[in-house]
Amino acid sequence: EDQVTQSPEALRLQEGESSSLNCSYTVSGLRGLFWYRQDPGKGPEFLFTLYSAGEEKEKERLKATLTKKESFLHITAPKPEDSATYLCAAEGDNAGNMLTFGGGTRLMVKP
Amino acid sequence: GAVVSQHPSRVICKSGTSVKIECRSLDFQATTMFWYRQFPKKSLMLMATSNEGSKATYEQGVEKDKFLINHASLTLSTLTVTSAHPEDSSFYICSAVDSPYNEQFFGPGTRLTVL
Repeated sequence: EDQVTQSPEALRLQEGESSSLNCSYTVSGLRGLFWYRQDPGKGPEFLFTLYSAGEEKEKERLKATLTKKESFLHITAPKPEDSATYLCAAEGDNAGNMLTFGGGTRLMVKP
Repeated sequence: GAVVSQHPSRVICKSGTSVKIECRSLDFQATTMFWYRQFPKKSLMLMATSNEGSKATYEQGVEKDKFLINHASLTLSTLTVTSAHPEDSSFYICSAVDSPYNEQFFGPGTRLTVL
């Protein structure tokens, strides 16, 4: 059974304090590892897809990396507007586009 | 990125009535769409997989007669909550798969409140 675990569940940062969010996964034949941002009362917003170990993608203050067992979302010099829940999801090769989601990390960035 | 819309964004209904939620992919065709339910401060729970032109596939524990799914075209899937009860109150989110890129994009969600 595919499993995705995110840590920490919640993270409080001061503005400018860089940190990383972790996503550990166990899937049969990873087809893709996805990161989403979700604001309260809204649907998830697509951020990145990673396909193979060693791959990295960046967007503004966010950088996602992937190994064979986990993915990290690095946040450099965060701003209060980066506060949101970040969701990680994995698709296995038997999933037929179905994603297995982690529990999410609630990030709060204080000015 | 690709855009997925949902309508309505909020709905309040009386117990026993049925509510239909629409999910549209606006700038791409989606053979596959998914319906999720999300409880406060929880992650998304997959309810069903909607495939264009065929019957939906429901996850274990999800009543197919209560949550009717229709995927009549490559850009539209609907979820009908039949005979809604207060326990059906939740945040319902759809997603659509942009097949060439194998990426899943989410709608903004529909907040259902059953009185």
